Amino acid sequence: EAGVTQFPSHSVIEKGQTVTLRCDPISGHDNLYWYRRVMGKEIKFLLHFVKESKQDESGMPNNRFLAERTGGTYSTLKVQPAELEDSGVYFCASSQGIRGEQFFGPGTRLTVL
Amino acid sequence: AQKVTQAQTEISVVEKEDVTLDCVYETRDTTYYLFWYKQPPSGELVFLIRRNSFDEQNEISGRYSWNFQKSTSSFNFTITASQVVDSAVYFCAGGGTSYGKLTFGQGTILTVHP
Repeated sequence: EAGVTQFPSHSVIEKGQTVTLRCDPISGHDNLYWYRRVMGKEIKFLLHFVKESKQDESGMPNNRFLAERTGGTYSTLKVQPAELEDSGVYFCASSQGIRGEQFFGPGTRLTVL
Repeated sequence: AQKVTQAQTEISVVEKEDVTLDCVYETRDTTYYLFWYKQPPSGELVFLIRRNSFDEQNEISGRYSWNFQKSTSSFNFTITASQVVDSAVYFCAGGGTSYGKLTFGQGTILTVHP
């Protein structure tokens, strides 16, 4: 069974540009999460989808970040416009139930110049 | 709010030594879940173990064992007979029953020397 996949693995953009990250969860997992690790700090929660609905978006830093999960399958996280402080590794995770183990993707390393 | 503290920033051991990684999870939840994840140099986060706050026993799985002390909120993870392939960043994380998000510690860099 395929694990969580993320695309792209790396992205280098200039300040002010737009970037869209994609996450494909494990098939059958209704719960999808986005996390971010900035500058060697702890991994921080961004938001949680249950199917196509946003269950918790308390970790989204500001309105430059937009996450979608149309149809309850894959999810996208768009940053527009990107700022220098958005650089970091963005992880996606999925789980079967809200209390289940979360399985993480390999992450997308975003560098904003 | 939840708080996860991994006091050890870096640990260095020689192969075959046992190593214990410390974690303290602070929460007001009465029921919660604790996890350890491993991040090898390739970058992905790998799920290792899970412990529920209501579990009675501490467990052993192969070379991994964990010790949960509810009174001190500690959730320590031990690798027995460490190997070079155990070198990675280890993250402790916790979550509650009414929400899915995990709160992570800052990670402990483990280096196992041959």
